[in-house]
Amino acid sequence: NAGVTQTPKFQVLKTGQSMTLQCAQDMNHEYMSWYRQDPGMGLRLIHYSVGAGITDQGEVPNGYNVSRSTTEDFPLRLLSAAPSQTSVYFCASSHRATEAFFGQGTRLTVV
Amino acid sequence: QQQVKQSPQSLIVQKGGIPIINCAYENTAFDYFPWYQQFPGKGPALLIAIRPDVSEKKEGRFTISFNKSAKQFSLHIMDSQPGDSATYFCAANPPQTSGSRLTFGEGTQLTVNP
Repeated sequence: NAGVTQTPKFQVLKTGQSMTLQCAQDMNHEYMSWYRQDPGMGLRLIHYSVGAGITDQGEVPNGYNVSRSTTEDFPLRLLSAAPSQTSVYFCASSHRATEAFFGQGTRLTVV
Repeated sequence: QQQVKQSPQSLIVQKGGIPIINCAYENTAFDYFPWYQQFPGKGPALLIAIRPDVSEKKEGRFTISFNKSAKQFSLHIMDSQPGDSATYFCAANPPQTSGSRLTFGEGTQLTVNP
């Protein structure tokens, strides 16, 4: 049982490049979320999904897109990377009334 | 706007000490308050959680105290060990969202010296 799997673990982008951070879970959880973690700010919610085909914005959605075509996958897209998007990104999944399980994170640097 | 405020930012205790981490929240609609533990290079992992209908919850050496009227909750770690050295985050979640919309505190870096 792998839990929540994020790829890649590390990535360096140039300003203006695009990329997709992958997130997959094998626990059949309905809820999935993306957070970014910055020093001194905790984790902040970017986007979340309550099921396949349903997504909504969190606290810091600008510059990021998501889609949820299957229960298992919830990719996060950066359309035009900016240095302000340098961060550690975490994907999480949860079932109704249970804890959120987090992936190991993707460390992204935008130069 | 930080809806969950956490203090202190860092904490150093000796082995066997009882570190206490405090959080305050603003949104009275929050109904689920978890604490997460994070080791370097890893994702956060749930440590213990509480709902506002109880004032205290214990799991092993970890205790949450919850004060609904003051909108505050805290984590106590009894008999702390060097292996407890990690970053701790409090969080809060709106109702009926099953941990998918967590608002986190800023984090506390705990160091337990041998």
